[in-house]
Amino acid sequence: GNSVTQMEGPVTLSEEAFLTINCTYTATGYPSLFWYVQYPGEGLQLLLKATKADDKGSNKGFEATYRKETTSFHLEKGSVQVSDSAVYFCALSDNQGAQKLVFGQGTRLTINP
Amino acid sequence: GAVVSQHPSRVICKSGTSVKIECRSLDFQATTMFWYRQFPKQSLMLMATSNEGSKATYEQGVEKDKFLINHASLTLSTLTVTSAHPEDSSFYICSARMLVVGTSGGYNEQFFGPGTRLTVL
Repeated sequence: GNSVTQMEGPVTLSEEAFLTINCTYTATGYPSLFWYVQYPGEGLQLLLKATKADDKGSNKGFEATYRKETTSFHLEKGSVQVSDSAVYFCALSDNQGAQKLVFGQGTRLTINP
Repeated sequence: GAVVSQHPSRVICKSGTSVKIECRSLDFQATTMFWYRQFPKQSLMLMATSNEGSKATYEQGVEKDKFLINHASLTLSTLTVTSAHPEDSSFYICSARMLVVGTSGGYNEQFFGPGTRLTVL
């Protein structure tokens, strides 16, 4: 079945550091890929998405590129801020039927001033 | 726009009782909603897909008689945990699916509620 594996946390960085959170997937067909963010006390929010190979999703300074050859969708940001502290989830949808989401285990990110 | 609420946000109940959790799409209609369960420091696990006007579709290993889902309107789905036991204690999250139309076409996006923390004593 479909699955998502992402970098285990927690990850702690200093403000303005470069961020990478790795995500790889296993899926049949051509899934869509997502990064969701969960801020403390809030629900999950879609951060960015990519629906086909070589697409780059971007939002709020975060980027991720859909790499079919390496089955990866790594999240990157050039300069993190304290407000980026949250839990980040990589997910895929098989684009069939109800378009269910399969999530990775989540990575807790803490940014220190 | 695209706000999803859950009620209650937190509930504590005694073992053997039933608990109902509501999921509402506040500013859009959703024919499809999803219920997830999240254990501490773990990922979200899909429990079931809730379809307005029809029976829910449960994931493998989820007891449908234990977790009753009702999606009676386009803005409300409910999850009832029947005869709750301590092992049912968890964080339950719902989402509602909406068609989003963008510059490159339309796609279905899930909008998530803030979750409900259930503790069964």
